[in-house]
This record gives sequence, structure tokens and C-alpha cells, in this order.
Amino acid sequence: DAGITQSPRHKVTETGTPVTLRCHQTENHRYMYWYRQDPGHGLRLIHYSYGVKDTDKGEVSDGYSVSRSKTEDFLLTLESATSSQTSVYFCAISEFAGAANEQFFGPGTRLTVL
Amino acid sequence: EDKVVQSPLSLVVHEGDTVTLNCSYEVTNFRSLLWYKQEKKAPTFLFMLTSSGIEKKSGRLSSILDKKELSSILNITATQTGDSAIYLCGGAGSYQLTFGKGTKLSVIP
Repeated sequence: DAGITQSPRHKVTETGTPVTLRCHQTENHRYMYWYRQDPGHGLRLIHYSYGVKDTDKGEVSDGYSVSRSKTEDFLLTLESATSSQTSVYFCAISEFAGAANEQFFGPGTRLTVL
Repeated sequence: EDKVVQSPLSLVVHEGDTVTLNCSYEVTNFRSLLWYKQEKKAPTFLFMLTSSGIEKKSGRLSSILDKKELSSILNITATQTGDSAIYLCGGAGSYQLTFGKGTKLSVIP
């Protein structure tokens, strides 16, 4: 299995509080991604990174920010959590973009916003 | 905006049946089509397809891409209860992978 960990694995928080999720990889892959998965919607891309300090928005980026200060870590921050952000969050990594775009997924973080 | 549509959304079959899952895509700068299997955890990679008409096989699973029709199918023969999962299809563009909503397959003994 690709070396990807996510922390925390489960979190319950209240509306309006800030939340940071961490993705850590040991594969030295250049590309990292944050997805959320909700029933009826499948996996949707929030943000992605194509290198240290290089990030871009995905399909559902509103309310989220990211940072990547090191190759191995990609942080997802909810500045002020809302109930609509209750979801399962997956981090993924890939060595290549473009034609060879196989992504490996982390174990996921289940976030509940009350 | 990129779009991937999977059908059916759910499917119930008996062990031993053969199933075909469908995926159609509209992806800018299309590079590849990927299939994943998701049980009660993270998606795991099954196939990546880049060339039209070339079948990829892994055991009882096979998949093929039709670039003319902008579609792909995933076949599972002689289904087993362990095949019960959500099967995700994703279309890869330059940097992003856009997923469909998935097909939930339930295999009953």
C-alpha cells in the first residue's frame, strides 16, 4: 500500500470552529489531492497541489483552504466549519499528472460538524 | 466543466452472474479513464485505460475504453460476494480526476 496517512481519522466539531485535516505521505509523490465523499455525489475534488507551495482549486473549493509547505504534507483547513461540510475526506497522491494519473488514496477522515 | 456519468447507480445480482458497469465521460484534455473499487474504506485502484479498444484484464475483471463513444465498461464475470462494493469511474484530464457517482454492486449468495 502507498504510504499515506490522514489525521485525525475521526472528528466531531461544532459549527463555526476551525478545523485542520492533515495528509502525510512517504512516497515523495509530487501531486496531492483532497476529496470529499458524500452519498449521492461520489468523490469531489476540493483542492490539489502540484508541488510545494503550488496549489489550485477543485470543483468544491468554497469554504476550504489548503497549504503545502513540504512535499510530504498537505493540509486542508475549514476556516469556520458548517454542517454542510460534514463528510468523509480523502487525501490522494500521484506520481504523475496527465497521461499517467493513477492516484492512491489515504484511509479517510470522517468529519461531523454539529 | 468535466463530467462523468456511471450507470446503473446500483445493481443487485446473484453469485455467479456476469455484470457490466458503464461509464461515460466528458473531460477536457482527456488523458485516461480509471476504475476503482471501494469497500468500506478508501478506493483501491483497478484499471487505467488510455488506448481505445484494448482490453485490460485482472482475474475475473476486465475493462475497455471506447474513445469514439467517450465511454468505458467494467465487466465482472462469475461474481462473488467479495465483489460487493462501490465501483468508481474517473476521467483524468491534465491535472484533475473527475469521478462519477459510482455504481453500488451487491452480490447475494
